[in-house]
Amino acid sequence: DQQVKQNSPSLSVQEGRISILNCDYTNSMFDYFLWYKKYPAEGPTFLISISSIKDKNEDGRFTVFLNKSAKHLSLHIVPSQPGDSAVYFCAASARGNYGQNFVFGPGTRLSVLP
Amino acid sequence: DSGVTQTPKHLITATGQRVTLRCSPRSGDLSVYWYQQSLDQGLQFLIQYYNGEERAKGNILERFSAQQFPDLHSELNLSSLELGDSALYFCASSVVAGGLTQYFGPGTRLTVL
Repeated sequence: DQQVKQNSPSLSVQEGRISILNCDYTNSMFDYFLWYKKYPAEGPTFLISISSIKDKNEDGRFTVFLNKSAKHLSLHIVPSQPGDSAVYFCAASARGNYGQNFVFGPGTRLSVLP
Repeated sequence: DSGVTQTPKHLITATGQRVTLRCSPRSGDLSVYWYQQSLDQGLQFLIQYYNGEERAKGNILERFSAQQFPDLHSELNLSSLELGDSALYFCASSVVAGGLTQYFGPGTRLTVL
């Protein structure tokens, strides 16, 4: 049972345009959401996060939107740059008794074309 | 460079064998997480340690075990290896047990033949 879904395995966008990566979740207990970027042969790198009490968080070219009623979040990258080409993972977190349980989606491979 | 180190980078072994993966967290981070990424799949959370104690458990097989030592480095032990255990194993660290931002190491690629 996939609790975090990224239904688009890949996405291609022209340089300078907007990239929109989508993520859906099923567990209403998730209270924190994160996006990670992963280049080949490297570990994932934290990009941006959002708490369930917010519906938008912005950091430079990156904005994450959260729609709790639809259990959906999206990452917008504007403008897209060739260096943004990577695999993007959406992750959701629910606070447990002692630690934080993280569930990752399968990832979306973004290709930004020059 | 995240500051998290993992050794070895690559490991090739045979079915039925046992291996140990090592992780050193960022300086000052007390919490360590282990993840498995199989081919074309997302990261599967295995287990979390905080200051030497187990804090959360995910989809970790009974053949797998982990520990965190007093110097805060962690080891993931995989035994009775099967072909399906071939994967990338990532370690991540955070400052506190509920640290919401994790810093990932470069991973260990395990190949079971």
